[in-house]
Amino acid sequence: AQTVTQSQPEMSVQEAETVTLSCTYDTSESDYYLFWYKQPPSRQMILVIRQEAYKQQNATENRFSVNFQKAAKSFSLKISDSQLGDAAMYFCAYRSDDMRFGAGTRLTVKP
Amino acid sequence: GAGVSQSPRYKVAKRGQDVALRCDPISGHVSLFWYQQALGQGPEFLTYFQNEAQLDKSGLPSDRFFAERPEGSVSTLKIQRTQQEDSAVYLCASTRGGSYNSPLHFGNGTRLTVT
Repeated sequence: AQTVTQSQPEMSVQEAETVTLSCTYDTSESDYYLFWYKQPPSRQMILVIRQEAYKQQNATENRFSVNFQKAAKSFSLKISDSQLGDAAMYFCAYRSDDMRFGAGTRLTVKP
Repeated sequence: GAGVSQSPRYKVAKRGQDVALRCDPISGHVSLFWYQQALGQGPEFLTYFQNEAQLDKSGLPSDRFFAERPEGSVSTLKIQRTQQEDSAVYLCASTRGGSYNSPLHFGNGTRLTVT
């Protein structure tokens, strides 16, 4: 079974600074996708960014980018120019057939 | 509606009662997922449908949990004889297709509290 590990239960960043959230996963599949989701207190899961495993180029969405290291099975999320609205739980997810999530990282943004 | 709709938003049940949680996916979305999210934890996979077919139910924690999607649209997650450990948020998500790159679109969840 695939597993997703987020080793940082909590992270904190100063507004306008950069923060990196870590994620590793375990799989024997070659074809899969990786996602980062954000969950604010409203409980709505919001897609932040996704990465196709067969693509070498790291995905970027505005202030959000990933560092995908396929051999190391690592998929970290970098948030640049952090904003107060970025404060939330962040979940890394792996999808081959179904989708599996990590335990999450709670991000706090300090003004 | 434009998004995934779940009802009720909150449900309180006495231990031993049966509950039914409803999910209305985005219109035309083929795949539908159910997740259980305990407080402070990540979503745990329960089951997955493609149209009306339940392709994977390996995450259902016991035979008290049952999910259906008889017409390939609305889905219901039923929990029989609820126990306190069933208290959690139940999230439903849908995707347009079955391919891996389709992101899941989530509802706001149903918070179940078993007393």
